[in-house]
Amino acid sequence: AQKVTQAQTEISVVEKEDVTLDCVYETRDTTYYLFWYKQPPSGELVFLIRRNSFDEQNEISGRYSWNFQKSTSSFNFTITASQVVDSAVYFCALSEGGSGNTPLVFGKGTRLSVIA
Amino acid sequence: DSGVTQTPKHLITATGQRVTLRCSPRSGDLSVYWYQQSLDQGLQFLIQYYNGEERAKGNILERFSAQQFPDLHSELNLSSLELGDSALYFCASSPGGGSYNEQFFGPGTRLTVL
Repeated sequence: AQKVTQAQTEISVVEKEDVTLDCVYETRDTTYYLFWYKQPPSGELVFLIRRNSFDEQNEISGRYSWNFQKSTSSFNFTITASQVVDSAVYFCALSEGGSGNTPLVFGKGTRLSVIA
Repeated sequence: DSGVTQTPKHLITATGQRVTLRCSPRSGDLSVYWYQQSLDQGLQFLIQYYNGEERAKGNILERFSAQQFPDLHSELNLSSLELGDSALYFCASSPGGGSYNEQFFGPGTRLTVL
C-alpha cells in the first residue's frame, strides 16, 4: 500500500534562511505521481507541484525547488531565502497510476514557521 | 482562489443530526473529491466522483454518502453525527479522473458537532 512520511512535524527558521522539507514515500507501483500542497493559516490547500515517476528532473520555481530521487524514494522541497509568507503547513502526497485510479495519500504535513 | 467553491464555510450542529455539504467544481472539471481533515487522522480521502459516477472510495463511513449531480456539483451527506465527525471537510476537483491529475481544493467546510 502507498504511504507518505513527513518526519519533520514542525520547523522554525528565521527569515531569509533556506529550509528543506523532507518527504519519503512507499509504493510498489512503477507509475506514480508525487505532489506538494501548501496549507496557509487561512486553511485552503494550494497545489504547488506534481511530478511523475518517470521524470526525475529537479524543478525550480522562483524560491521553490524540488529534489526527486527514486533511489531513496524521496521528494524533498526546498525554500530558498524564506519569507514570513511561507509560514504554512506543507503536505507531500502520492497517487499510484499503474493499476488504475488510486486516491491521493497525504503525509501528516510539516508546519513551517518563518520568523521575521 | 482555486475556483472550487464550498458551502457553508462553517457548520455547527448537534450529535445525531444530519448535514449536507455542497461543492461546485472548477469550470470544466469533471472529477470531484471529498476529503476529511482532522487533527488525529490528518487528511483522509473519502470518495471521488467522475462525471456523475462514483470512481473511487476511501475510508468513508457508512453514515456518510455523496453524489454528483448532472451539473457536476457534488454534495456530501453526513448523518447520525458523532463528536468525532468534527473536522474540516474539503472538496477538490480535477479535469479528468486519473490519478495523475492535480487536484484543486476548495476553502473547506468546518464542521463542529456538539
